[in-house]
Amino acid sequence: AQKVTQAQTEISVVEKEDVTLDCVYETRDTTYYLFWYKQPPSGELVFLIRRNSFDEQNEISGRYSWNFQKSTSSFNFTITASQVVDSAVYFCALSVHTDKLIFGTGTRLQVFP
Amino acid sequence: EAQVTQNPRYLITVTGKKLTVTCSQNMNHEYMSWYRQDPGLGLRQIYYSMNVEVTDKGDVPEGYKVSRKEKRNFPLILESPSPNQTSLYFCASSPHPGGSYNEQFFGPGTRLTVL
Repeated sequence: AQKVTQAQTEISVVEKEDVTLDCVYETRDTTYYLFWYKQPPSGELVFLIRRNSFDEQNEISGRYSWNFQKSTSSFNFTITASQVVDSAVYFCALSVHTDKLIFGTGTRLQVFP
Repeated sequence: EAQVTQNPRYLITVTGKKLTVTCSQNMNHEYMSWYRQDPGLGLRQIYYSMNVEVTDKGDVPEGYKVSRKEKRNFPLILESPSPNQTSLYFCASSPHPGGSYNEQFFGPGTRLTVL
């Protein structure tokens, strides 16, 4: 069975702090894809990144970076120099062989000025 | 503009009153899906469709129906809504069914309250 665990329910930081959101996944398949989505207070789901199981190279996009480690089944997301606009719920998700996304329970990030 | 649209965005209804939430995409995607989002549970798949006239159950299908008569539309039907179906609903689409690499495009969400 596949599963995604986001153990951090809520994180609060002050602006300009770095913050890491953890994501641990479970699957027995060797081919799979991992995703991160952002859900701002307005409610929509915003796609952030997709990573396949054969590509462990870390990715950086501006203040966002992702660390994929198959050895620990983790796909963590770091925001550097956080801003108030980063306040949102962040979901990690897994897909294996189908289009169905298996979501974690989400981490609510609050960035205070 | 490429998008997935849902209507209505907000709905308050009463137990037992049939309702339909519409979903439409303009990207010619073959795959469409419905999810519900509940606090502490993340998003869970209700139903999905690989193509026209092909639908199948997701993880939480009880109390819901869907149809896919046209490629662009995938309505979600609650024949007899109950309070435990109060939730935030998302429709999603993606281009190639069976490709787990697909980025899914989500609609804006429909917040449903069943009294």
